[in-house]
Order: sequence, then structure tokens, then C-alpha cells
Amino acid sequence: GDSVTQTEGQVTVSESKSLIINCTYSATSIGYPNLFWYVRYPGEGLQLLLKVITAGQKGSSRGFEATYNKEATSFHLQKASVQESDSAVYYCALSRSSNTNKVVFGTGTRLQVLP
Amino acid sequence: DTTVKQNPRYKLARVGKPVNLICSQTMNHDTMYWYQKKPNQAPKLLLFYYDKILNREADTFEKFQSSRPNNSFCSLYIGSAGLEYSAMYLCASSRAGHISNERLFFGHGTKLSVL
Repeated sequence: GDSVTQTEGQVTVSESKSLIINCTYSATSIGYPNLFWYVRYPGEGLQLLLKVITAGQKGSSRGFEATYNKEATSFHLQKASVQESDSAVYYCALSRSSNTNKVVFGTGTRLQVLP
Repeated sequence: DTTVKQNPRYKLARVGKPVNLICSQTMNHDTMYWYQKKPNQAPKLLLFYYDKILNREADTFEKFQSSRPNNSFCSLYIGSAGLEYSAMYLCASSRAGHISNERLFFGHGTKLSVL
């Protein structure tokens, strides 16, 4: 079945430094999946950070960017300069382009930003 | 009000006893989902209601039940809790559950501990 892989369980970055959180996917269905990044800030529920539904396109939100790379089957999350308030758990996810909205998540990457 | 509410936030259950978790949303979303989240694992979809139609995942089909008495409420029922049911249970909702790129709105989750 479909799957999402996040290789880093935790990433620690100093404030104002750049960030990359890796995500690769495997989608067994015909066609290209929709790709998402969700985030869980401390004390809050999971919420959508950004999504891209067209291969080759880039999504952005709150200074974060992710590009849908269908050749590499990747959707890495990047930010040029992180802030302490970005400390959270980030989940890469996909859904199939079919008639249901079933979302498959990765295991998550905890980002700790040091002041 | 774009919130999904889950009650309770923490629940203690005894092995062999039933468990009922509650979720509500006021966004008039047609689809409600239940995910199970264990430490260091990805959120795993258990089941979802698209309007009044219940869809249960094949590998957890016999372990969980659910009801949706109206559009706003959805419950997750465990008939006989085992130690393996200890996890965070996440409720989510979305509009247009037949479309695969709609965002999910999550509650804070209910942490279930089975002793």
C-alpha cells in the first residue's frame, strides 16, 4: 500500500539557521498522490501546514516550503531561517487521487529550535 | 469555529472492559475519522464515516466500532480493551470526504491507558 517515510525522528537546529526535514513517499495507486505537511505545536492538535496536489509544484506557508518531486518521490520541508516558535512535530502525509480522503502519515519529525 | 473536540483528554481503562471515546465538530463536515497514534509510530487510520456510511480499515476491522448519531458527533468503541490498545486516539473531520485533497481538522486527542 501507500507509505510515507521520514528518516529523522528528531532534528535540532539553532535559531536563524536553515532547516530541511526529509520525506519520501511510495504510492501504489495509478496517478500521483496529493502531498501534505501537518504540524503539531505543543499543546495543540495536528494542523495542516501546507499541501501540494500537482507534481512539480511548490507549496509554502509560515516561511516553510516543500516541492513535489515526482522523479525522486520526495516532498522535503525547508525553511531558510527557523525560529524558536517553529519547535513542533512535523508529519509528512499523502492521500490518493481517488474518491476518498484517506490520509497516510509518516512517523513524524520532532524539531527542536535552540535559542 | 474550526475546532474538533475530544473527550476526555485522558482515559484509564481496565483490561477486558469496554471503552467509549467521543468526538464532536461544529463545522458541518460530512466526514469524520479516527486515528490511533502510538509513540514513534505514524498515526494509523482506524475508520471513518462519510456521512452515514462507516468505512473500517481491513486490519483493524474487528477491533473497533463506531457510531455517528448525527453529523456533529462520532464515537469510537472498544468492546474489550487489551494492553495493546494503549495509545493516543485522534479524531479528525473534513468536508467533502469523497475528494482526496481536503485538509483534515484534528482534535487534541484522547490518551488511553489500559491497565
